[in-house]
Amino acid sequence: RKEVEQDPGPFNVPEGATVAFNCTYSNSASQSFFWYRQDCRKEPKLLMSVYSSGNEDGRFTAQLNRASQYISLLIRDSKLSDSATYLCVVSNNAGNMLTFGGGTRLMVKP
Amino acid sequence: SAVISQKPSRDICQRGTSLTIQCQVDSQVTMMFWYRQQPGQSLTLIATANQGSEATYESGFVIDKFPISRPNLTFSTLTVSNMSPEDSSIYLCSAIGQGFGQYFGPGTRLTVT
Repeated sequence: RKEVEQDPGPFNVPEGATVAFNCTYSNSASQSFFWYRQDCRKEPKLLMSVYSSGNEDGRFTAQLNRASQYISLLIRDSKLSDSATYLCVVSNNAGNMLTFGGGTRLMVKP
Repeated sequence: SAVISQKPSRDICQRGTSLTIQCQVDSQVTMMFWYRQQPGQSLTLIATANQGSEATYESGFVIDKFPISRPNLTFSTLTVSNMSPEDSSIYLCSAIGQGFGQYFGPGTRLTVT
């Protein structure tokens, strides 16, 4: 079993749609959780951290369920510019090493 | 945040040769890492670059193949030695600093022929 698992997609959605990605992780001692975004032929960039209480940044909402060991990302009112690969990332219990999921590809169409 | 630059941005190399990739961060960072991302795959950690001492390698990666240097807090190099076509990949430098999360350099796209 992979340490961090994601549905690779692609998720093809129309502009304005709401789309949700889930991610599961295997190490219950994991410390921190993140969503990164990676555009084609670019490096990953931090989208948002994920907190136990859930957090929202504009159209993006991230949630963490430690009991079930999954993380979610919700994107509302999708834009064409949201098309990218979204990487679920989990840090180890020391907080100094990241493990990446395989990524979920999102394609937003007009 | 931190700005991370890498050189070269891309290269095409012949099998059996070696390539050294440089990574420069614009601020002092606590940790630096090297990742590999093969086509269509996610990122795989190669090693943690330790300042002034040997790098810490992940399973499947060895120092003879991927020697790493980190002479100071802002600079690191990764060498891909005795290259084969299987080494064709994007190599990414990454850093964590005080007060900011983990950032990535733009990557070095390596093709081995």
